[in-house]
Amino acid sequence: QKEVEQDPGPLSVPEGAIVSLNCTYSNSAFQYFMWYRQYSRKGPELLMYTYSSGNKEDGRFTAQVDKSSKYISLFIRDSQPSDSATYLCAILLTQGGSEKLVFGKGTKLTVNP
Amino acid sequence: DAGITQSPRHKVTETGTPVTLRCHQTENHRYMYWYRQDPGHGLRLIHYSYGVKDTDKGEVSDGYSVSRSKTEDFLLTLESATSSQTSVYFCATNKRGPELNYGYTFGSGTRLTVV
Repeated sequence: QKEVEQDPGPLSVPEGAIVSLNCTYSNSAFQYFMWYRQYSRKGPELLMYTYSSGNKEDGRFTAQVDKSSKYISLFIRDSQPSDSATYLCAILLTQGGSEKLVFGKGTKLTVNP
Repeated sequence: DAGITQSPRHKVTETGTPVTLRCHQTENHRYMYWYRQDPGHGLRLIHYSYGVKDTDKGEVSDGYSVSRSKTEDFLLTLESATSSQTSVYFCATNKRGPELNYGYTFGSGTRLTVV
């Protein structure tokens, strides 16, 4: 079983739609949960970061973590064409000074005007 | 990508030649990482550094070596490039504090083609 699973999509939605992106993970010891956005031919940029179960909101973006189900989600409200990118979930485990960051393979999102 | 510069941005090289990629940061972050990104595999860690001259292997380290002689520079060397090392290489840094982790910041990437 892969440590982090992410539906690769692609996902195509009309402008204004609500987008839901999801990942599952297998190791219950993972502690930090992140979402990165990657535009074509650019490096990933950190979008959202959380370490607890529940919701964290930042503008049109909401990150949701359910540790009991080992499930994380990113919701985008009122999606815009500028949101078109690949979204990567990433989960971090820290243990005794060392750490392991595992990425999902990414979901490619296209928001059509 | 502010604070992290990768060079070169693009490179084409021949099989069997050595190649060095450079990552330069102005953030004074202690931790630095090299990843490769390939279709179907996502981002995979090659090597990382937790301080000057302190480095360790990631999950795909075979055929790669790294060096860090200064806080700001982290070099990735392909000793003898192979076609399987054609990829996009990303450098990242991590601002870590006691009991806290702020996530990784990535550079813009180096697109390497081995022919």
